[in-house]
Amino acid sequence: DADVTQTPRNRITKTGKRIMLECSQTKGHDRMYWYRQDPGLGLRLIYYSFDVKDINKGEISDGYSVSRQAQAKFSLSLESAIPNQTALYFCATSDPSFGGGFGTDTQYFGPGTRLTVL
Amino acid sequence: DAKTTQPTSMDCAEGRAANLPCNHSTISGNEYVYWYRQIHSQGPQYIIHGLKNNETNEMASLIITEDRKSSTLILPHATLRDTAVYYCIVRLRLQGSQGNLIFGKGTKLSVKP
Repeated sequence: DADVTQTPRNRITKTGKRIMLECSQTKGHDRMYWYRQDPGLGLRLIYYSFDVKDINKGEISDGYSVSRQAQAKFSLSLESAIPNQTALYFCATSDPSFGGGFGTDTQYFGPGTRLTVL
Repeated sequence: DAKTTQPTSMDCAEGRAANLPCNHSTISGNEYVYWYRQIHSQGPQYIIHGLKNNETNEMASLIITEDRKSSTLILPHATLRDTAVYYCIVRLRLQGSQGNLIFGKGTKLSVKP
């Protein structure tokens, strides 16, 4: 089974609808992230969480909110979806004590959710 | 985080070594070099990282120049499944609340039969 799972894998919705994307992980990592990727571009960070009580905005958080329900679960919500939120969304996890050496923080990504807002 | 420069695309023959260069001339002493790859529309996959010594794992080798201003990712025996976009990322040694990886446009590696 995959260590980082995302649901749904594909979603088509209409402008103005509320959408929730979910991420679960079995890696036991404290840190979780949400990124979006637009065609031909790199990934951009939306929100990240270093533990259950910690939530931080990334570079493009406007129009999004998150919830860290447990160590293993991190959800991304679009309160009122708009067409320019059409993108691939990736969840990632990391643990600064994993991957060798103090100061490293290797991130592991889920398979992605393809969201289309009409 | 320091900026990186990579070629837009590269080709490699199946079974041959793929050598992917990355320039990071403004890297500072407390920044790591990370490599990830993304196979079409899948989640990015961690490959390897290093600080100043050369590193090898089951996927690849990372060669970092002595002045740390450039590095090369080596896939020793490329297969068709290695066709992907490869991202070189320079990232601060973990301090406090640094969170994200900054992905550039990467190198599109095409492995050909």
